[in-house]
Amino acid sequence: EIVLTQSPGTLSLSPGERATLSCRASQSVSSSYLAWYQQKPGQAPRLLIYGSSTRATGIPERFSCSGSGTDFSLTINRLEPEDFAVYYCQHYGGSPYSFGQGTKLDIK
Amino acid sequence: QVQLVESGGGVVQPGRSLRLSCVASGFTFNNYDIHWVRQAPGKGLEWVAIISYDGSYKNYADSVKGRFTISRDNSKNTLYLQMNSLRGEDTGVFYCARALTSKYYFDFWGQGTLVTVSS
Repeated sequence: EIVLTQSPGTLSLSPGERATLSCRASQSVSSSYLAWYQQKPGQAPRLLIYGSSTRATGIPERFSCSGSGTDFSLTINRLEPEDFAVYYCQHYGGSPYSFGQGTKLDIK
Repeated sequence: QVQLVESGGGVVQPGRSLRLSCVASGFTFNNYDIHWVRQAPGKGLEWVAIISYDGSYKNYADSVKGRFTISRDNSKNTLYLQMNSLRGEDTGVFYCARALTSKYYFDFWGQGTLVTVSS
């Protein structure tokens, strides 16, 4: 089973700054099967990025991803107020479809 | 528009059973694998189960294997999760999420239904 570890647990930034969120896998994973989701309080998760770098429909260009092997990151440029949320990485290459424990991005 | 609407949650005693439903609309249901994902209060996401587009493949997280059963009725555009022998640690919001067959990522989620296991 692939275990995903996200860091930091909480990231406090101001609007306009850049956020970099990390996702580390316990073993090498194909970047083709790495996704990121955003979840706001009281809402369902929303797909942001899949295949490690492809933005889902309607996701702004300020969201981007990079990485390979065991280390991946989500970068959000020029933070907007609506970007403050919890972010999860996920490996969807097969069962179990493990999620990281999440990074909370909150307003400084 | 695409919708996934979960129902069936509620308060149930430990050891009892509950069946959740997820009704789909706005897309071709039988083109998609469907997952259940749960979230304990204040915690992260935990994958629970998958059923393939035609129901021929099912798989479960170890934490629910032998207790939960996933099924679907494509004629009714509905997914089910039969949960038996419920435990306190099963408490949480249960989401259904779709994944286009051959793509695998979860591209749309329902709003969830809350299950509380408590005496």
